[in-house]
Amino acid sequence: DGGITQSPKYLFRKEGQNVTLSCEQNLNHDAMYWYRQDPGQGLRLIYYSQIVNDFQKGDIAEGYSVSREKKESFPLTVTSAQKNPTAFYLCASRGSYSGANVLTFGAGSRLTVL
Amino acid sequence: AQSVTQPDIHITVSEGASLELRCNYSYGATPYLFWYVQSPGQGLQLLLKYFSGDTLVQGIKGFEAEFKRSQSSFNLRKPSVHWSDAAEYFCGLAGYSGAGSYQLTFGKGTKLSVIP
Repeated sequence: DGGITQSPKYLFRKEGQNVTLSCEQNLNHDAMYWYRQDPGQGLRLIYYSQIVNDFQKGDIAEGYSVSREKKESFPLTVTSAQKNPTAFYLCASRGSYSGANVLTFGAGSRLTVL
Repeated sequence: AQSVTQPDIHITVSEGASLELRCNYSYGATPYLFWYVQSPGQGLQLLLKYFSGDTLVQGIKGFEAEFKRSQSSFNLRKPSVHWSDAAEYFCGLAGYSGAGSYQLTFGKGTKLSVIP
């Protein structure tokens, strides 16, 4: 079945460490997105990529980095510069064919900083 | 700039009662509108979408939504709520900027609790 796989589901990090969250999709979608979710805050866009080797900052990109070397993969690195990284992270993708324009989401990764 | 407002943070209904979740948007043209549902600790699942045409759209799990341009609203409804509908619901709006960039904006969500 086609879909988006995020790993790990749960991740614990010590302060000062960088961590990388994986996002892989087999939907042949061009665009991919990373959102951060905090209670009562809704979804906030971190980074997005519309094609391979290109990505743009979203509303809260500070302290995060991404790469898009392959169409299927869009990993997110939470760096030590992110002051409050404990959150639920959601990856999504979007097809570009007519009638699409909807996001398909992964199951999320919960990051906790100890 | 585009924006989405979900006025109700938390709604509680009895099982079998009807439900309406409110969503208001701000956008300069006809938007693409969505409703997603999220169970605790899970990703978001698309319930329904509106792109054009009939302003009453049907979705999965017995949900429907009505697009009202005059009120800038896209409220989600269900005639009879089941306990399994307890979740958080997000309204979303998508559009293209002048530079051709696709932008998707979500409301902050409405948490639905269902009383047996």
